[in-house]
Amino acid sequence: GAVVSQHPSWVICKSGTSVKIECRSLDFQATTMFWYRQFPKQSLMLMATSNEGSKATYEQGVEKDKFLINHASLTLSTLTVTSAHPEDSSFYICSAKGAPGELFFGEGSRLTVL
Amino acid sequence: AQRVTQPEKLLSVFKGAPVELKCNYSYSGSPELFWYVQYSRQRLQLLLRHISRESIKGFTADLNKGETSFHLKKPFAQEEDSAMYYCALHNFNKFYFGSGTKLNVKP
Repeated sequence: GAVVSQHPSWVICKSGTSVKIECRSLDFQATTMFWYRQFPKQSLMLMATSNEGSKATYEQGVEKDKFLINHASLTLSTLTVTSAHPEDSSFYICSAKGAPGELFFGEGSRLTVL
Repeated sequence: AQRVTQPEKLLSVFKGAPVELKCNYSYSGSPELFWYVQYSRQRLQLLLRHISRESIKGFTADLNKGETSFHLKKPFAQEEDSAMYYCALHNFNKFYFGSGTKLNVKP
């Protein structure tokens, strides 16, 4: 099956710094990618839909200036958590839409903000 | 607004017993529903989708529009079925997930 890779899988940063997480579709082109956030023992919360060549579509309540999403190519989307704070600590998961309508998930990235 | 509900956080059964993981949804249109599974230390992966009407690893799920349900069933659970199971709804190019049910199959 199709493969989606996320990097880094684990990152620790100081409060106030920015962190970039990459999501790559390794063997297929993904015009649409999704970014999810998962809290412990809770569901995946859709943060935004990343569209290649255009602005991301954010879900209600998600700060677009806080979580910058860039989908510059058909195989790469990035999520940048700007001025990170401890409450941003979470597990971030990306997924890419294959055909027909199937989602392929990355391994997830665990962010810890000290 | 669309919503996916999985009422059970944890479901424990013995090997060989039948298992049913519940999923209810609220959506005004024609839903496209999926079950995703996450085995220990692995990423989420598709288990099955309602439009395919297929059986994967012995699991089946039938869309019941009257009851707005898409329950996942397997007649005889195996230990290797132990995992987190997520019900998902696809609408307008977005996927919404339920809170997940952890299935624990005991020997």
